[in-house]
Amino acid sequence: KQEVTQIPAALSVPEGENLVLNCSFTDSAIYNLQWFRQDPGKGLTSLLLIQSSQREQTSGRLNASLDKSSGRSTLYIAASQPGDSATYLCAVGNNNDMRFGAGTRLTVKP
Amino acid sequence: SQTIHQWPATLVQPVGSPLSLECTVEGTSNPNLYWYRQAAGRGLQLLFYSVGIGQISSEVPQNLSASRPQDRQFILSSKKLLLSDSGFYLCAWAYPDRGTNTGELFFGEGSRLTVL
Repeated sequence: KQEVTQIPAALSVPEGENLVLNCSFTDSAIYNLQWFRQDPGKGLTSLLLIQSSQREQTSGRLNASLDKSSGRSTLYIAASQPGDSATYLCAVGNNNDMRFGAGTRLTVKP
Repeated sequence: SQTIHQWPATLVQPVGSPLSLECTVEGTSNPNLYWYRQAAGRGLQLLFYSVGIGQISSEVPQNLSASRPQDRQFILSSKKLLLSDSGFYLCAWAYPDRGTNTGELFFGEGSRLTVL
């Protein structure tokens, strides 16, 4: 059974810093990997999707990388802003379902 | 464009009462459908998923059940709620046939259930 771990559980940084969120998974036979953002009390918003054949995806200040062989993905956020404060979730796709990590709660201080 | 609707948004129910949460998807056919639960401060737990009408796979044995009476409708139910059923329930969909699609998951806004 796929296990997904996210480190750190919480992160607080000053505005303007670049930061990296980590995601690891136990079964490298994945179909895809997706990063989400969740604001308090809200649903999940998709940020980036990486197919198993891809190494990275970029959207604006966000860059996600995938290393299947080592079972790792990172989400890089450049020039962080207070509006980036949220919980970031990593999900790994196998077969017909996706398994989630517990998330990293990010706080960007003005 | 595709949209997903989930209701009710908030629900407060006594222990032992029934539950029905509904999710519908518009703008696509034969989607894969999912119910997840998020307990306070924890990650998302997959409860059920469906690849077609009447086809339900259960991930966690519990007093909840799911049904898919129509192609784009997914219902989460319980006959008697427990205190431990409290949480944030999220419905999601993905395009079918992963051989030709990315498998990207799209979520509804969630339903917050409090069992007292």
